[in-house]
Amino acid sequence: DAGVIQSPRHEVTEMGQEVTLRCKPISGHNSLFWYRQTMMRGLELLIYFNNNVPIDDSGMPEDRFSAKMPNASFSTLKIQPSEPRDSAVYFCASSLARNNEQFFGPGTRLTVL
Amino acid sequence: DAKTTQPPSMDCAEGRAANLPCNHSTISGNEYVYWYRQIHSQGPQYIIHGLKNNETNEMASLIITEDRKSSTLILPHATLRDTAVYYCIVVSNAGGTSYGKLTFGQGTILTVHP
Repeated sequence: DAGVIQSPRHEVTEMGQEVTLRCKPISGHNSLFWYRQTMMRGLELLIYFNNNVPIDDSGMPEDRFSAKMPNASFSTLKIQPSEPRDSAVYFCASSLARNNEQFFGPGTRLTVL
Repeated sequence: DAKTTQPPSMDCAEGRAANLPCNHSTISGNEYVYWYRQIHSQGPQYIIHGLKNNETNEMASLIITEDRKSSTLILPHATLRDTAVYYCIVVSNAGGTSYGKLTFGQGTILTVHP
């Protein structure tokens, strides 16, 4: 198995632009998580899905952030419009339901200028 | 969620055992202790978890005190590649509001030196 796949690995954009981050979970996993990591705030859970349904989005910072999971093998995290304070590493993780052993992807390093 | 307390940093000599402590004095009966680590520039990696019995796998051992208020992760023969941030996390496996929500604290920066 290739593990959790994230794209792009690096993204540099200008303030105000739309950014879309992509994630492919491990086949067979039915829970998917989006995290954000910064030096100031550490690793934070943004949202998680179970069987493609958002279960908890309380960590999503504001309305500029949205996440979708149209099917079991794909999820997106969108920021529109992006701001410099959104600069961070965004991780996607997946797991089997009822199991807290989460498998993390390599992350997307986002820089908003 | 119960919170955890870990030392900010620790050192260990290569080949020696690394013992990483974690306090979780407010842990509740249905909450497990999970350990993850994050090597620089990579995503976190699951290591081990336990409820009340000691656990061992190919990566590490987990010792949980009888009152469950603290635990120790043991890397029996640390190598330079074990240099990472180690996170101790308490989370329920049985549903409820905390299920699936891993709350990462600051962790312990373990440096393994030659």
